[in-house]
Amino acid sequence: DTGVSQDPRHKITKRGQNVTFRCDPISEHNRLYWYRQTLGQGPEFLTYFQNEAQLEKSRLLSDRFSAERPKGSFSTLEIQRTEQGDSAMYLCASSRTSGGAYEQYFGPGTRLTVT
Amino acid sequence: RKEVEQDPGPFNVPEGATVAFNCTYSNSASQSFFWYRQDCRKEPKLLMSVYSSGNEDGRFTAQLNRASQYISLLIRDSKLSDSATYLCVVNERYNNNDMRFGAGTRLTVKP
Repeated sequence: DTGVSQDPRHKITKRGQNVTFRCDPISEHNRLYWYRQTLGQGPEFLTYFQNEAQLEKSRLLSDRFSAERPKGSFSTLEIQRTEQGDSAMYLCASSRTSGGAYEQYFGPGTRLTVT
Repeated sequence: RKEVEQDPGPFNVPEGATVAFNCTYSNSASQSFFWYRQDCRKEPKLLMSVYSSGNEDGRFTAQLNRASQYISLLIRDSKLSDSATYLCVVNERYNNNDMRFGAGTRLTVKP
């Protein structure tokens, strides 16, 4: 399967702990996006990368959140000092920027529960 | 006003029924439009892009009305497997890095 993959699929952590999630995009896609989704809502944009450059961050992305894509391939999203309000599904998506095909393809997500 | 609004449903329809969902968006400069499908506790999956002239893919038809700023999705001859949440997605910029998702419309198709 050459789709977007994410690891771990589930994470339970205690409030105040740091967590890190990984996303591996579709190999020929140069754009990578992070979203957060809570129950009953659509995904909310957090940040995106084109190759290794982080080009945009949502105001939802507080100082406790940091994302990297060091070699323009996989990406990590770290949340420091987790809070209960961080409990959500964290989705990664990737897309091309050429050929007119800009659709985003999502990974299975990492479900975070902060206790 | 939300940027992308959808009727949350749920829509409960019998197999074989035709069902239509609408979605409205607030930014008149929005560039491109999509419908995604999301099964319970799964990731969103692209169902179809929505083109200005309208487009059809099998039992699914998408329409765009730029003047009224709404998008529709029509499902004909609905199947049990169509049960899911349908997300309306609006891209506010040309290069697709500003996707706004609706909260989704839940569809349940019953035997």
